[in-house]
Amino acid sequence: ETGVTQTPRHLVMGMTNKKSLKCEQHLGHNAMYWYKQSAKKPLELMFVYSLEERVENNSVPSRFSPECPNSSHLFLHLHTLQPEDSALYLCASSQVGLSDTQYFGPGTRLTVL
Amino acid sequence: AQSVTQPDIHITVSEGASLELRCNYSYGATPYLFWYVQSPGQGLQLLLKYFSGDTLVQGIKGFEAEFKRSQSSFNLRKPSVHWSDAAEYFCAVGARQAGTALIFGKGTTLSVSS
Repeated sequence: ETGVTQTPRHLVMGMTNKKSLKCEQHLGHNAMYWYKQSAKKPLELMFVYSLEERVENNSVPSRFSPECPNSSHLFLHLHTLQPEDSALYLCASSQVGLSDTQYFGPGTRLTVL
Repeated sequence: AQSVTQPDIHITVSEGASLELRCNYSYGATPYLFWYVQSPGQGLQLLLKYFSGDTLVQGIKGFEAEFKRSQSSFNLRKPSVHWSDAAEYFCAVGARQAGTALIFGKGTTLSVSS
C-alpha cells in the first residue's frame, strides 16, 4: 500500500449504530487530519493530530470521536449520528516542519439512515 | 477573516482549448497555496503548490499556477485541456505553521466537451 488509505470506502449506518472509520498513511508523516466534505460546502476540518497529540478540534459534535494510536493510524469513531452527518470523510497526512503539504486518502462515503 | 473564493462554480471548455480557473484568497500572513483535483468518488490529489520563490509554479498533468500577491490570486491554468481533466478543482490556503488546517474554496467543476 502506498499513500493514504481509508477503510471502508462506503458505509451505511442507522442512527443508533456505532461504527469506526480507519485511516492509514504510508508516507512516514507525523500529522494526520480528518475533514468532512458535504455537498455544496467547502471541506471542513474536523480534527488534527500532530505528533500523536490532538492539536485542533473544530467544535465537532461529541458523536464524532477521534483516536490516533500512533503516527500512521487515525480512527474516527461514530455513534448516534444524524442524517445530516452523511458526507464524504477525508483523511489527510503531512510532515510537520517540512512544507506541511497535506496528502489525502480516497475518503469514506458515509450515509446515515 | 481567512477565506478562499473560487468565483466559478462550473466551467465548460472544449477539448484542446485553454483553461483558467480563478482563485482569490484572504489571509493575514503570507500563505502556502495549493490546488487539488478531485475525480468523482475519489479523494483529493495535489496538483501543485506555492511556498516561495518563483511565482509561476508547475504541477502535474501539465497544469501551472501563478501567484499574484497584489491581487491575492492564485489562478490555475492549462494550455490545452484533455477530456480526462474533467473533475472538481479546489484551491486551498494554509498557514506557514505545522499541523494547521487548510482553508478550501468551494470548488470549480470542470466539464470538457468534445
